[in-house]
Amino acid sequence: KAGVTQTPRYLIKTRGQQVTLSCSPISGHRSVSWYQQTPGQGLQFLFEYFSETQRNKGNFPGRFSGRQFSNSRSEMNVSTLELGDSALYLCASSLAEVVAGRETQYFGPGTRLLVL
Amino acid sequence: GNSVTQMEGPVTLSEEAFLTINCTYTATGYPSLFWYVQYPGEGLQLLLKATKADDKGSNKGFEATYRKETTSFHLEKGSVQVSDSAVYFCALLIQGAQKLVFGQGTRLTINP
Repeated sequence: KAGVTQTPRYLIKTRGQQVTLSCSPISGHRSVSWYQQTPGQGLQFLFEYFSETQRNKGNFPGRFSGRQFSNSRSEMNVSTLELGDSALYLCASSLAEVVAGRETQYFGPGTRLLVL
Repeated sequence: GNSVTQMEGPVTLSEEAFLTINCTYTATGYPSLFWYVQYPGEGLQLLLKATKADDKGSNKGFEATYRKETTSFHLEKGSVQVSDSAVYFCALLIQGAQKLVFGQGTRLTINP
């Protein structure tokens, strides 16, 4: 079974631009979570989607948004990029049926975003 | 709140040495506990997990036991190899939310 895939793998943008990252979960997984990894803050939870609905959200500004499609693929968008948004963005998928919080998350390789 | 504290790194060992990476947690309810490993330039790989007290997770020679009384989930391996060099993350999954809370990571280097 194919793992979690993320595109693109690398991205360079300039301040003020916006960016969209894509994540395709493991087949059959309906929950997709996004995390930001930086050297200073470590791994931080952005949000989680299940059945096209945002179910949980972390403490990030409104510039960070996401969505999920009917095939469970997910995108996250960052608008008005800042230098501090440079990070590795990781997507994880899980079965996570109706009751969340018990399913193992499997991670993709990440998208490395550099903001200049 | 929910938090995970890991042993400060980096940790450098010789091949075939015994490894322990300490992890303690604070959580409301009964979280599931995980160890993930990250190799250079890659995402996170699940190493092992435990979903309730006294469960032992194991994989590739690594082990960790969910200790509720000490709120700990220490990672151990009896004989490390150069290929085990990576960053290791301890994490808890919050009950009722698909949200992982991670420790700060421990960089492990194994010298031949």
